[in-house]
Amino acid sequence: QVQLKESGPGLVQPSQTLSLTCTVSGFSLTSYNVHWVRQPPGKGLEWMGRMRYNGDTSYNSALKSRLSISRDTSKNQVFLKMNSLQTDDTGTYYCTRAVRYGVMDAWGQGASVTVSS
Amino acid sequence: DVVLTQTPPTLSATIGQSVSISCRSSQSLLHSNGNTYLHWLLQRPGQSPQLLIYSVSRLESGVPNRFSGSGSGTDFTLKISGVEAEDLGVYYCVQGTHAPHTFGAGTKLELK
Repeated sequence: QVQLKESGPGLVQPSQTLSLTCTVSGFSLTSYNVHWVRQPPGKGLEWMGRMRYNGDTSYNSALKSRLSISRDTSKNQVFLKMNSLQTDDTGTYYCTRAVRYGVMDAWGQGASVTVSS
Repeated sequence: DVVLTQTPPTLSATIGQSVSISCRSSQSLLHSNGNTYLHWLLQRPGQSPQLLIYSVSRLESGVPNRFSGSGSGTDFTLKISGVEAEDLGVYYCVQGTHAPHTFGAGTKLELK
């Protein structure tokens, strides 16, 4: 059974760094891509970036200077780090498995992140 | 970046009614490999998005066949033939042809 689960702090102070972990099961990180997608409260979806099956990464150009995605295949985990957080970074952060070309066929439950002092 | 424009933003339907959602792209989504990577997701209230249709018209496993997708190039349509109560939520198109991936703004399907 394919599963993804996001974990991390629910509250982050402005200007600080967000660290999230996506723990996967039921598939191999060396066979599938994992994307990060976020959703501000009451708004739509924004693609943040991707860890490819071969270890390559790509990022939304609007976030690239602040964002880093990495992984530990031995632990079946993909990590997101984003620095210089502001209040408009508040929202739900999802990790999602993608077969290829953005076919996101499995999603985590989402991690709610609030940026506030 | 590719801009996906979804219309209408909100759709009111009765149970059993057939409805369509449009997704128009700012550039062709035909990949150099001959495939078109335009997909549809449904996000039910309080839930994570789920994949409904991929590559324009391919139904994801387990998705009812009242959902269908069509289109080419820059114009795409999701059709629901006979809305059921479980279909309510926000529908998103997403493209995977061009980097970065981009989403439409969503179409909210609600009961009339």
